[in-house]
Amino acid sequence: DTGVSQNPRHKITKRGQNVTFRCDPISEHNRLYWYRQTLGQGPEFLTYFQNEAQLEKSRLLSDRFSAERPKGSFSTLEIQRTEQGDSAMYLCASSSQGDVQGWEQFFGPGTRLTVL
Amino acid sequence: AQKVTQAQTEISVVEKEDVTLDCVYETRDTTYYLFWYKQPPSGELVFLIRRNSFDEQNEISGRYSWNFQKSTSSFNFTITASQVVDSAVYFCALRQTSGSRLTFGEGTQLTVNP
Repeated sequence: DTGVSQNPRHKITKRGQNVTFRCDPISEHNRLYWYRQTLGQGPEFLTYFQNEAQLEKSRLLSDRFSAERPKGSFSTLEIQRTEQGDSAMYLCASSSQGDVQGWEQFFGPGTRLTVL
Repeated sequence: AQKVTQAQTEISVVEKEDVTLDCVYETRDTTYYLFWYKQPPSGELVFLIRRNSFDEQNEISGRYSWNFQKSTSSFNFTITASQVVDSAVYFCALRQTSGSRLTFGEGTQLTVNP
């Protein structure tokens, strides 16, 4: 399978715990994005990497959130001291810089986080 | 600031009916891209189409067609002869030419009944 993959697919945690999600983009894509989607809403942008550089962060990304892409390949998103409001689907997407016109973003299946 | 509005929260049709999903956007940019994505019950967003602001030609792909009208800031999506497999949430999205983030609408839940 050459699509975007995310692990785990589901995560249930207790409030106050830390969680980490992983995203593996399409292999030739140098751009990687994180979005958050709550029930009944469209995805909201969190952050974006070009290779290993984190180039943009949304105001939604509070201090408890941190994302990395250490070698320009896979990325991790960590949430510290989780709160019930963090419950959502976390989506990862990747795109190629080669298609200058549009850079279509291809999405992974998401990680559904439930904070009890 | 950018904004995408999909006023139709839910639409229900009977198989073989045609259905149009509305999308209205706001942006101060003169150049931008518009997208439609499909999110079936499995949850994975599937890219359907990209349109840049320079190109107002309508596009048809099989049973799908898109009507982009810059004058009314609309990018509507029509499914002809709908099928049960078309049941999904459909999202319209906007991106600046020089930007990275996609701004999504709230989505339209389409249910096609047999």
